[in-house]
Amino acid sequence: NAGVTQTPKFRILKIGQSMTLQCAQDMNHNYMYWYRQDPGMGLKLIYYSVGAGITDKGEVPNGYNVSRSTTEDFPLRLELAAPSQTSVYFCASSPSGGGGNEQFFGPGTRLTVL
Amino acid sequence: QKEVEQNSGPLSVPEGAIASLNCTYSDRGSQSFFWYRQYSGKSPELIMFIYSNGDKEDGRFTAQLNKASQYVSLLIRDSQPSDSATYLCAVNGWGNKLVFGAGTILRVKS
Repeated sequence: NAGVTQTPKFRILKIGQSMTLQCAQDMNHNYMYWYRQDPGMGLKLIYYSVGAGITDKGEVPNGYNVSRSTTEDFPLRLELAAPSQTSVYFCASSPSGGGGNEQFFGPGTRLTVL
Repeated sequence: QKEVEQNSGPLSVPEGAIASLNCTYSDRGSQSFFWYRQYSGKSPELIMFIYSNGDKEDGRFTAQLNKASQYVSLLIRDSQPSDSATYLCAVNGWGNKLVFGAGTILRVKS
């Protein structure tokens, strides 16, 4: 089991560019999450999904979009990148709702917007 | 807005001592509580979870929960330099999502 994988590990974007952060899990988990973590801060939920075809906004969704066409994949799209989106992005998955089950995290993507 | 509060630290303890990390939460309806450890530049990993009032022990780690006071803590006995990390408290929120605190930096000095 690879667990939760994320690509790329690092990326530098110019203001206004777009990109997709990839996330995949091979644990057959229904729930998947995208978080961002700014220096010295906790994790803020961007979007989450309870299964293929179902997504919903988290705490900080502005400037991002997601899709979930399969159980395994949960890509995060950044449109018109802004410096405020400089952060470390973590994808996570859990077998059911996070309230009762452990969330497994990917290694993260460090994004810088200049 | 559901909130989870932690002292940012750093909390410095000598090797072999007990480290005590604390967390308070605002949502009285919260049912599940998690402690994650995050090494610098790495992703969070689960250390312990607790659902019921009282203590839960796992090796050198003890989680304590007091729902009446809306308080959860993590004790690390016989602290080791390898325990130096940021410890994130997380509480289940609305819709089974987790709300994370900002984390406490722990430094264990040898």
